[in-house]
Amino acid sequence: EAAVTQSPRSKVAVTGGKVTLSCHQTNNHDYMYWYRQDTGHGLRLIHYSYVADSTEKGDIPDGYKASRPSQENFSLILELASLSQTAVYFCASSDEDRGQNTLYFGAGTRLSVL
Amino acid sequence: GDSVIQMQGQVTLSENDFLFINCTYSTTGYPTLFWYVQYSGEGPQLLLQVTTANNKGSSRGFEATYDKGTTSFHLQKTSVQEIDSAVYYCAMRMLSGSFNKLTFGAGTRLAVCP
Repeated sequence: EAAVTQSPRSKVAVTGGKVTLSCHQTNNHDYMYWYRQDTGHGLRLIHYSYVADSTEKGDIPDGYKASRPSQENFSLILELASLSQTAVYFCASSDEDRGQNTLYFGAGTRLSVL
Repeated sequence: GDSVIQMQGQVTLSENDFLFINCTYSTTGYPTLFWYVQYSGEGPQLLLQVTTANNKGSSRGFEATYDKGTTSFHLQKTSVQEIDSAVYYCAMRMLSGSFNKLTFGAGTRLAVCP
């Protein structure tokens, strides 16, 4: 069965610190995504990638970097965490090459920046 | 730009009540429309895809309809159960450059009381 796993599941970070959120997929999908979930805003796209060693900006990329070292792994990096980045973050994958429209999400990472 | 509006932030029903959730969308192209569901502690998962105007999609007792004339789409279920308690997201998929971007609504939290 398709699987997207995120780590850690929750994290507390200090303002100004560096945070790395990791995502691993066993779906053999080409596309991977990072979304942020906030009450009242739903899910907003931060970064995405369609091939290893390449990332693209989504709708709200400011303050975030992404890294795709392999097809299976996609990381989200907060170089200088801020209070406003407290949210739940979801990674997802999809198989665009075969015209599949479904996004498969991980269980999420709850980040609290203090 | 493309947008999806989901106004109902919270819906509380009793078991066997009728559920109706509405979304409107704005785009210049020809969208593909979806409903995703997120159960507590999990990531969102695809519930329904509706691709043809005035066509219904159905899954797990839920039905989705799409009205191109009013640029709206709806999710309904005749008789909800407590296990249907979750957050429901409408979403629209549109070509943005060479990328098929999925834009989510803000989500509707459904609470079903026994």
